[in-house]
Amino acid sequence: GQQVQQSPASLVLQEGENAELQCNFSSTATQLQWFYQRPGGSLVSLLYNPSGTKHTGRLTSTTVTKERRSSLHISSSQITDSGTYFCAITGANTGKLTFGHGTILRVHP
Amino acid sequence: EAAVTQSPRNKVTVTGGNVTLSCRQTNSHNYMYWYRQDTGHGLRLIHYSYGAGNLQIGDVPDGYKATRTTQEDFFLLLELASPSQTSLYFCASSDVAGGNYAEQFFGPGTRLTVL
Repeated sequence: GQQVQQSPASLVLQEGENAELQCNFSSTATQLQWFYQRPGGSLVSLLYNPSGTKHTGRLTSTTVTKERRSSLHISSSQITDSGTYFCAITGANTGKLTFGHGTILRVHP
Repeated sequence: EAAVTQSPRNKVTVTGGNVTLSCRQTNSHNYMYWYRQDTGHGLRLIHYSYGAGNLQIGDVPDGYKATRTTQEDFFLLLELASPSQTSLYFCASSDVAGGNYAEQFFGPGTRLTVL
């Protein structure tokens, strides 16, 4: 089945620093989404980016489908960015999302 | 943006109990999904549906039934709840755009505890 690997597993930043999160997946994805979750909270869709580069606010995602990788760049991190970031992909034949295990981000003042 | 709601938000039951989790989406999406989230396992798909009356088995279906009564409503049923089903449950919906599965939108989650 499809596999999604995220790195790093955790990341600690000082407020104002940038973050780069990586996602590698095992098969050609037709859909790739980045999600954010606070502990015990809901999943918030950050970016839907099957290919190319997408921006929203301080977030930039670049997906290179042929190389089966995606990145999420967070610029000028804030304390409120702390939480877990998930990458998830869908294969060609179903709408099922396969999730990575997430990157835990902690931003300190 | 799609609106997905879930009820109840929290539920406590005992082993062997009967539990129904409800999900409603109001953006006329055809596809709906039930996931569970557990520490160490991430999010895993339980059941999903392509439309009213349709049901597809996900990756971890054992111990769960689901029913899609309308385009808007998708229910997850635990008929004999076990402590291993203590988890955070998410419902999601999406549609197909241009032949590809589009962005999924998630509900707020239901925290279920089975004692």
